[in-house]
Amino acid sequence: QKEVEQNSGPLSVPEGAIASLNCTYSDRGSQSFFWYRQYSGKSPELIMFIYSNGDKEDGRFTAQLNKASQYVSLLIRDSQPSDSATYLCAVKGGRSQGNLIFGKGTKLSVKP
Amino acid sequence: SAVISQKPSRDICQRGTSLTIQCQVDSQVTMMFWYRQQPGQSLTLIATANQGSEATYESGFVIDKFPISRPNLTFSTLTVSNMSPEDSSIYLCSVAENTGELFFGEGSRLTVL
Repeated sequence: QKEVEQNSGPLSVPEGAIASLNCTYSDRGSQSFFWYRQYSGKSPELIMFIYSNGDKEDGRFTAQLNKASQYVSLLIRDSQPSDSATYLCAVKGGRSQGNLIFGKGTKLSVKP
Repeated sequence: SAVISQKPSRDICQRGTSLTIQCQVDSQVTMMFWYRQQPGQSLTLIATANQGSEATYESGFVIDKFPISRPNLTFSTLTVSNMSPEDSSIYLCSVAENTGELFFGEGSRLTVL
């Protein structure tokens, strides 16, 4: 059974700080990794994806992947109150293109 | 990315009844996917809706409980049959880009009394 684990939080950071969200996965053969943001009462929206070891930056967001440690993280720089949401880590599951295995998410709260 | 519309956005249903959720995409897509997000749980893939063939169900989900239609490349429906309170959940329609990214509709929040 493929699993994706996240700390449920809540993770509370002050405005302007760096928020660090972490995720581990069980399937060593996983190749594609995704971070979604989900505001309360809304559907998940894709923030970033990463396929290769190392860092990938997009604006204030940086995804980090370490396949040897089976670890994915998301850094949010200069955190804003509007970043307050639940962040979902997902790993591509089976052969189906749309089969992602999701973690339960980490709730982030950015305090003004 | 495609614009994905779902309806109803929310509904309150009685035990034993069935409800059909509709999903409309603004462009043709090969595959559409239905996910479920139960309270406090992670998103779980129910099935892949294939145009021109039967849906492909994931382990733990069966066609009798979640029949799916896919009449064309822009539309799909998911029916939740013979509902019980355990079916109270958010049901999400999604499509995948060729690069593997998955995009979701707004979701349909079902409450079963």
